[in-house]
Amino acid sequence: KNQVEQSPQSLIILEGKNCTLQCNYTVSPFSNLRWYKQDTGRGPVSLTIMTFSENTKSNGRYTATLDADTKQSSLHITASQLSDSASYICVVRGGYQKVTFGTGTKLQVIP
Amino acid sequence: EADIYQTPRYLVIGTGKKITLECSQTMGHDKMYWYQQDPGMELHLIHYSYGVNSTEKGDLSSESTVSRIRTEHFPLTLESARPSHTSQYLCASAPTGDNTGELFFGEGSRLTVL
Repeated sequence: KNQVEQSPQSLIILEGKNCTLQCNYTVSPFSNLRWYKQDTGRGPVSLTIMTFSENTKSNGRYTATLDADTKQSSLHITASQLSDSASYICVVRGGYQKVTFGTGTKLQVIP
Repeated sequence: EADIYQTPRYLVIGTGKKITLECSQTMGHDKMYWYQQDPGMELHLIHYSYGVNSTEKGDLSSESTVSRIRTEHFPLTLESARPSHTSQYLCASAPTGDNTGELFFGEGSRLTVL
């Protein structure tokens, strides 16, 4: 069964600190992996996409990694800001365009 | 910002009422989706459409129905709401021919059935 597991479930960090969110998946075959950011009361918005051949990709203060061998991805947030408070959802696309969602990590950045 | 709109944003109704959640997008996307999202749970696909007059049920069984009479409009209807239908409903769209599978989401409709 295709699964996407994210950790931690929730995280509280001080403003300015860094953090790393994890995503492990069992989806096969693998097409791509996306990280979405979902602000409270809003719909998810794509942050970055990782394909099989990509190991690292940055989008501002967000850096995603992918290890296709171990089926793990991480999202690193540098110098966190209050506006980073949100849920971060890992979504893996497999064969036949099948999409599997993780349950998300809820990040709270406090001053 | 994605040009996909959902109304109402919040709805509180009594059991047995009929409700329609509206979803419209102005991006000309052929693919549209309805997801159900409960706190701490992953998004579950309940309906999708790949074009006008095309609708399919998703992975999660749902008593709701959908229609796709126009490309830009994909409403979801519950004929008789029950407390078990209380949830957040997210509408999304995607362009045909995009192999990356990016979904563009609306802001959601939070439904509470008393």
